[in-house]
Amino acid sequence: KQEVTQIPAALSVPEGENLVLNCSFTDSAIYNLQWFRQDPGKGLTSLLLIQSSQREQTSGRLNASLDKSSGRSTLYIAASQPGDSATYLCASYNTDKLIFGTGTRLQVFP
Amino acid sequence: GAGVSQSPRYKVAKRGQDVALRCDPISGHVSLFWYQQALGQGPEFLTYFQNEAQLDKSGLPSDRFFAERPEGSVSTLKIQRTQQEDSAVYLCASSVGMGGYEQYFGPGTRLTVT
Repeated sequence: KQEVTQIPAALSVPEGENLVLNCSFTDSAIYNLQWFRQDPGKGLTSLLLIQSSQREQTSGRLNASLDKSSGRSTLYIAASQPGDSATYLCASYNTDKLIFGTGTRLQVFP
Repeated sequence: GAGVSQSPRYKVAKRGQDVALRCDPISGHVSLFWYQQALGQGPEFLTYFQNEAQLDKSGLPSDRFFAERPEGSVSTLKIQRTQQEDSAVYLCASSVGMGGYEQYFGPGTRLTVT
């Protein structure tokens, strides 16, 4: 059974820092991996989807990498801003359902 | 185009009441998924449909939970005799097909059972 773990569970940093959020999964037979953002009381906003044949995806200040063999994905946030404060979730596509981690709660202070 | 919509956005039910949560997927999306998100946790899979066929309901926590998608479009998640542990956000997602296609999420329905 797939298990997805995210480290750290919470992170508080000053504005401007470059950040690394980690996601690990136990079953490497995944289709894709996706990173989401969730603001308090809100739904999920998709950030990046990495297909199993890809190693990374970039969007603006965000870069996500995928290493299936080691069961790891990393979300890199450059030059963090207070508006980046949210919970970040990674999820693996196993067959047709998403298996989510418990998230990293990020706070960026001015 | 419209995204995935869910209604109601908030629902308060007394313990023992039945509730029905609605999901309107993106037009043309054949796959529809339901997830449950408890406070402070990541979403957990409940069930999914391809068109009107329910292909996997392994995540439904008990036989009080029932989902349907009779015409292959709108779906309803019904919870009978609600319990306090059913309090959670219920998320619906849709995708163009099976096999790992990207899922697009609705805003969720927050259910509080008192």
